[in-house]
Amino acid sequence: TQTVSQSDAHVTVFEGDSVELRCNYSYGGSIYLSWYIQHHGHGLQFLLKYYSGNPVVQGVNGFEAEFSKSDSSFHLRKASVHWSDSAVYFCAVSASSGSWQLIFGSGTQLTVMP
Amino acid sequence: EAGVTQSPRYAVLQEGQAVSFWCDPISGHDTLYWYQQPRDQGPQLLVYFRDEAVIDNSQLPSDRFSAVRPKGTNSTLKIQSAKQGDTATYLCASSLRWGEQYFGPGTRLTVL
Repeated sequence: TQTVSQSDAHVTVFEGDSVELRCNYSYGGSIYLSWYIQHHGHGLQFLLKYYSGNPVVQGVNGFEAEFSKSDSSFHLRKASVHWSDSAVYFCAVSASSGSWQLIFGSGTQLTVMP
Repeated sequence: EAGVTQSPRYAVLQEGQAVSFWCDPISGHDTLYWYQQPRDQGPQLLVYFRDEAVIDNSQLPSDRFSAVRPKGTNSTLKIQSAKQGDTATYLCASSLRWGEQYFGPGTRLTVL
């Protein structure tokens, strides 16, 4: 069974701060991991994904994520946030054994204060 | 390129009423997904299609929910007799095979 855990329901930072949103997964086979962003009242937008190779992947708008097999983690980071980054961020895992269905975490609400 | 479109954007029902949600995927995308997203939770897959065929509907409450994609393009998700527990946002997504999924804006359903 694949599970995705996002331990922080809410994160609040100030504009210009760096931020890390945490994601841990539980699965032992071939997987790929992704992050999505959801602004209030909108659908999800893809940010980035990892399947293999360089464990640090770059996404849109200055986001990056780092895969760690030893920690079973795929944390999302941004060096300097903007107020427009305020949104809910979802981590997702999918696996070949699950027909590549996306399993989402519960989400982290990021609030960026001016 | 137009994105995934959904209608209606909002629906409010009494328990026991029926409702249908419509999704128009991105042109050329052969795979279409319906997700249920309860408030403050991540999306959960209900059903997905490859062209007009249902690939997996194991998470669809079959006694009250149904989904079709008759021509392999647009899709309709129907709730026959809504319950308060169905209150959620219903998201449609499409992709080309196992590629990146593109999501529509969702339909926010409230069942009173």
